[in-house]
Amino acid sequence: NAGVMQNPRHLVRRRGQEARLRCSPMKGHSHVYWYRQLPEEGLKFMVYLQKENIIDESGMPKERFSAEFPKEGPSILRIQQVVRGDSAAYFCASSTTSGRENSYEQYFGPGTRLTVT
Amino acid sequence: GDSVTQMEGPVTLSEEAFLTINCTYTATGYPSLFWYVQYPGEGLQLLLKATKADDKGSNKGFEATYRKETTSFHLEKGSVQVSDSAVYFCALGGGGGADGLTFGKGTHLIIQP
Repeated sequence: NAGVMQNPRHLVRRRGQEARLRCSPMKGHSHVYWYRQLPEEGLKFMVYLQKENIIDESGMPKERFSAEFPKEGPSILRIQQVVRGDSAAYFCASSTTSGRENSYEQYFGPGTRLTVT
Repeated sequence: GDSVTQMEGPVTLSEEAFLTINCTYTATGYPSLFWYVQYPGEGLQLLLKATKADDKGSNKGFEATYRKETTSFHLEKGSVQVSDSAVYFCALGGGGGADGLTFGKGTHLIIQP
């Protein structure tokens, strides 16, 4: 019973490069959430997606960040022209239904630790 | 907006000691409340949850009661083990109608043998 999968687990990028983070939700889950964890901080919500739709991107920085969840394949969080401040752990979570329908219970992946040099 | 405040760490205890990690929240509506645990280098695991006032969530000896009158969801365990060493996050969902969870900053728990 595979859980939420994320890859890569560790990613090193130079300033100005692009970072692509992948998330495969748990089997049977069609709702995906991305969070960012800065050092010594809690997780901050970034974006909520269902298949082929962005539902809530209120926590996503306005520039350089984008997310998608195509009909086939994993969800992708893309960061263009990375800067040192993007260094963080990025976690993906999934759920079977929307928060309102499942009391907001979410299951998290192991995270991708992005380091920008 | 919604917010979660939990006690700062690190919290250091001896094995078999009693544990309390305080968590209070501010939210509109009627949120669900959660405790997640993060072991070193790993993702977050759901430890327990409560979805309405006076509910008690419990798992692996940990308990927390949803107290609406004090807007609190304190985590307790009667006798901690070295293996409980981890970072514990209090979180809420659904307070302001958003689908994302709102997290506290986390409390690093260290249990010494």
